[in-house]
Amino acid sequence: AQKVTQAQTEISVVEKEDVTLDCVYETRDTTYYLFWYKQPPSGELVFLIRRNSFDEQNEISGRYSWNFQKSTSSFNFTITASQVVDSAVYFCALSEVESDNAGNMLTFGGGTRLMVKP
Amino acid sequence: DGGITQSPKYLFRKEGQNVTLSCEQNLNHDAMYWYRQDPGQGLRLIYYSQIVNDFQKGDIAEGYSVSREKKESFPLTVTSAQKNPTAFYLCASSITGSTAPLSNQPQHFGDGTRLSIL
Repeated sequence: AQKVTQAQTEISVVEKEDVTLDCVYETRDTTYYLFWYKQPPSGELVFLIRRNSFDEQNEISGRYSWNFQKSTSSFNFTITASQVVDSAVYFCALSEVESDNAGNMLTFGGGTRLMVKP
Repeated sequence: DGGITQSPKYLFRKEGQNVTLSCEQNLNHDAMYWYRQDPGQGLRLIYYSQIVNDFQKGDIAEGYSVSREKKESFPLTVTSAQKNPTAFYLCASSITGSTAPLSNQPQHFGDGTRLSIL
């Protein structure tokens, strides 16, 4: 069965520090997708990135970067020069393709609460 | 603007009462989902629907019911059988894999409904 683990329940940093949020996943499928979502205090989940299992290139988007390592089943998320507005709960999620029957189902990790202090 | 609207934002339930949470989307998405989020935890899937007049149970369907009479709407009823309904409920929608094979498009989320017991 699929599983997503975010071992860090809470991280606190000072503004301008870099911070990495860890995500480890388990799946038997060879084709799957990984996602990161941000949940600010207002509650809605904001989509950040989607990565398929065949694309191990790291991705950078502004201050955000993602490191996908299939060998260690990890999809870590780094925020460079963190800002107070980055404070939120961040969720990693997995979507299996082969065993999902096109249901587009997501399995979420428990989330990491990031607090960026001024 | 296209998006997902959940209402009400806050809801209170009395003992033995059924309550219904509304979820409407104008994104023309085929699939819709209901999640439950407990404090400090990730999201757990309650029900999902890939097409009108069809829906499936998720991981924690007991004590909940849904309907999908229209593509745009996917209301969730929290019945009196759900003994611990206090939680944050999130609705989401997406393009299904049947529409965009192997793409696993990201799910788009509403702002959530916070349900409490009186």
